[in-house]
Amino acid sequence: DGGITQSPKYLFRKEGQNVTLSCEQNLNHDAMYWYRQDPGQGLRLIYYSQIVNDFQKGDIAEGYSVSREKKESFPLTVTSAQKNPTAFYLCASSATLNTEAFFGQGTRLTVV
Amino acid sequence: GQNIDQPTEMTATEGAIVQINCTYQTSGFNGLFWYQQHAGEAPTFLSYNVLDGLEEKGRFSSFLSRSKGYSYLLLKELQMKDSASYLCAVSDSNYQLIWGAGTKLIIKP
Repeated sequence: DGGITQSPKYLFRKEGQNVTLSCEQNLNHDAMYWYRQDPGQGLRLIYYSQIVNDFQKGDIAEGYSVSREKKESFPLTVTSAQKNPTAFYLCASSATLNTEAFFGQGTRLTVV
Repeated sequence: GQNIDQPTEMTATEGAIVQINCTYQTSGFNGLFWYQQHAGEAPTFLSYNVLDGLEEKGRFSSFLSRSKGYSYLLLKELQMKDSASYLCAVSDSNYQLIWGAGTKLIIKP
C-alpha cells in the first residue's frame, strides 16, 4: 500500500540535544513538507521541498534543518537552537505544490 | 497579513446537518482545501474548491465564494465518527498553504 510514514510516534529528548524525525513516502510525490501543530493554532510550515536536493524555508524554519537526498525521504532535525521544540510534528507529501496533501501519522516530540 | 478564520468549536446532534464556515484574507488565491483531523491523528483530505460554487461528495459538500473570501463545509446526516477537527487551508499566490486553526466539531447523541 502506498503511503507516508513518520517515525517514531512519540519521542522524548533532553533539552540541548538534537533529534531527527523520520519521514518516508512511497507515493512517488515530488513535494514534501514539514509542519508543526500547536494547540489552538493552524499548521505552520517549517520546511518544504519540491524536488530532490532542493528545499525551502517555511514560516518557522529557525532551529530546524532538513535534507532531501532521496525522493522518498525528508528527515527533519530539531536542533538545540529551537527554543520551544515540544510540539506535534506532521510530515506531508503531494504530487505537486497545489494538489491534495497526504499526511503521516505525526510525531509528538517532548523535550524535558 | 494573511489570515484564515474559523469558529473554534461547534456542537451538533447525530443525524443533523452542520455548516462550518471559513473566511480568508490571503495574498492571491489558488484554491481552498478542507481536511478532517481526528484527535492525535493525521489530517485527511476532504475537498478542494478553486471555482465559485458548491462541490458535493457524499454526505460532505463544500462551497466557495472568491469575491467574499468565504467557504463553508456542510456535513449532512451527522454520525458520531464525524467528531473531529475540520481544517480550512488556502493556497496563496506562491502555492503555499495558509491554514486556519481548525474547528472542533462535537457530535452529541
